[in-house]
Parts: sequence; structure tokens; C-alpha cells
Amino acid sequence: EPEVTQTPSHQVTQMGQEVILRCVPISNHLYFYWYRQILGQKVEFLVSFYNNEISEKSEIFDDQFSVERPDGSNFTLKIRSTKLEDSAMYFCASRARAGQPQHFGDGTRLSIL
Amino acid sequence: SQQGEEDPQALSIQEGENATMNCSYKTSINNLQWYRQNSGRGLVHLILIRSNEREKHSGRLRVTLDTSKKSSSLLITASRAADTASYFCATPVSGTYKYIFGTGTRLKVLA
Repeated sequence: EPEVTQTPSHQVTQMGQEVILRCVPISNHLYFYWYRQILGQKVEFLVSFYNNEISEKSEIFDDQFSVERPDGSNFTLKIRSTKLEDSAMYFCASRARAGQPQHFGDGTRLSIL
Repeated sequence: SQQGEEDPQALSIQEGENATMNCSYKTSINNLQWYRQNSGRGLVHLILIRSNEREKHSGRLRVTLDTSKKSSSLLITASRAADTASYFCATPVSGTYKYIFGTGTRLKVLA
């Protein structure tokens, strides 16, 4: 069964550095998402992406964050000038079309030192 | 209460028993989804119920939706140790692409 893959599984970065989290969504899916889950807390929506542009973003997704779909397969989340509070699990998800469920990757654990 | 709030927060049962988790939400929805998350892993989609449906089954899972009360429940029958996980409901915010996840129920099934 096709699945969403995320790399790396764990990223350790110094505060202030930039980090890029990578995702390969399921190939025929059209909608792409990034979520964040701070340890022990709920899954928080960051951003949705459709038709090569951001379709929705949360208040968390400020100028520090950006997303890109540089080619037909990858979907990346860039965090500039990371802060300690950016430490969390970051999940990528995709879905085929409206009204269909999202499929999640296993996440990238981001640790900011 | 927050959009997508589950209760109980934690549930511990014996193998073979049924587990019921509830989710409440605030805004109007087109559908509601339930997900499972094993520790340290991603979310696995379990069931999607549309706003015009009242009940849906999938194997040992039964989901109900009451749009008048803005609530949903997930029932796992004949639970197994492998069902131990956190369970979340998620709702798309109507008219947007945004999804809101609940706070989750941590289920522990004891062998």
C-alpha cells in the first residue's frame, strides 16, 4: 500500500540554524499538509498546500516557516532560525481529494539544542 | 471546551472488553475522522464518517456521529493488547482546508 515517507526520522539542530524537513506524499494525492505535535500534546495544524500554493495556514505558521513542492514528488517544510520551542514531532500528510482521509507519515522528531 | 476534545483522556481496560471514546467539536463539519497513534509513530486513519451518516462500522470499530450534539464516539469491541495507542478525532473546519485534532484518548489494553 502506498505511504507517505518522511526524512530524516530525527533531526538535531542548534538554535538559530535553519532546518528542512522532507516528505514524499502519496503519488496521486493532491492535498498536502504539515502538522506539529509537541511531546505529550495534541496534533496541531500548521499548513495545507494545494495546486502549488498554500491554501490555509495556522497562526503558528509565521514568517519563520515556509513550504515548497520543488518537484512532482517532494514536499518540504523549512524552518528558519529555529527556536527551542520548535522542538516537536513534525508530521506530513496527504490526501487524494476533498472528503477523503489524510494519510500521515511517521514524522520527523526535531530537537533544537 | 476546545474544538475536538476527547474524553476520557486515558482509559485502561482488560483484553476482551469494549472501549468507548468520545469526541466533541464546536463548528459545523462535513465529516469527522478517527485516527490511531502508536507511541512515537504517525497517525493511522481508522474511519471517516460524513455529516449525513449516523453510524459506521469497520471490523471491530463502530463510530457514531450526532451532529445535533456535535459529538462522536468510537467503540472498539473485544479489545486486544495491540489496540493500545492514542486515539484522536479530527474535523475539517468547514469552508477551509484546516483540520483540527482533538486532545486524544490514551487507551491501554491489559493482557
